[in-house]
Amino acid sequence: GAVVSQHPSWVICKSGTSVKIECRSLDFQATTMFWYRQFPKQSLMLMATSNEGSKATYEQGVEKDKFLINHASLTLSTLTVTSAHPEDSSFYICSAHPTGSGNTIYFGEGSWLTVV
Amino acid sequence: AQSVTQPDIHITVSEGASLELRCNYSYGATPYLFWYVQSPGQGLQLLLKYFSGDTLVQGIKGFEAEFKRSQSSFNLRKPSVHWSDAAEYFCAVGGLTGGGNKLTFGTGTQLKVEL
Repeated sequence: GAVVSQHPSWVICKSGTSVKIECRSLDFQATTMFWYRQFPKQSLMLMATSNEGSKATYEQGVEKDKFLINHASLTLSTLTVTSAHPEDSSFYICSAHPTGSGNTIYFGEGSWLTVV
Repeated sequence: AQSVTQPDIHITVSEGASLELRCNYSYGATPYLFWYVQSPGQGLQLLLKYFSGDTLVQGIKGFEAEFKRSQSSFNLRKPSVHWSDAAEYFCAVGGLTGGGNKLTFGTGTQLKVEL
């Protein structure tokens, strides 16, 4: 079946550095991908909509200059957490939607970010 | 704006007992509804989804859910719970926006299974 891969699965970085997380659709093209964040013992919150070839659309309260999203190809979206701080430590998960099948959603395995 | 309410934060059931997890939603049009399960430290696994048609939806692992428009509910059920079902369960509602489904998740229900 369709697979969405996220890399890295987990990462530990120092405060003030930047971290890039990749979301890749392995066997389909995705015009649209979504990025979610989940704090420990909380629900998933949508951060932004990533659109291939155009700027991402951010949800209210999400800093676009801090969470840079690039959707450079139909199979890859990246989320870069810039100048990371401990409060950015979270579980980040993406979803991808095969082009032309808007109802179908595939989630990545998620990426654990710990900022120390 | 769309929203999802899962009234029960924690539920404990005995193995072999039946299970019902509640989910109520708010959405302006016909919703697309989902149930996901998340095991500790892992991503999301889709249990089942409702887009249209038969309001009783069968999913994986013996789960089913019933869409009741009049009650704005999409409760998840399982006739006999297994210890391996212990996990966090999320209900989500979404609708087509542009090229895909933007989901709003409920706060989750933590299921504990007593042996």
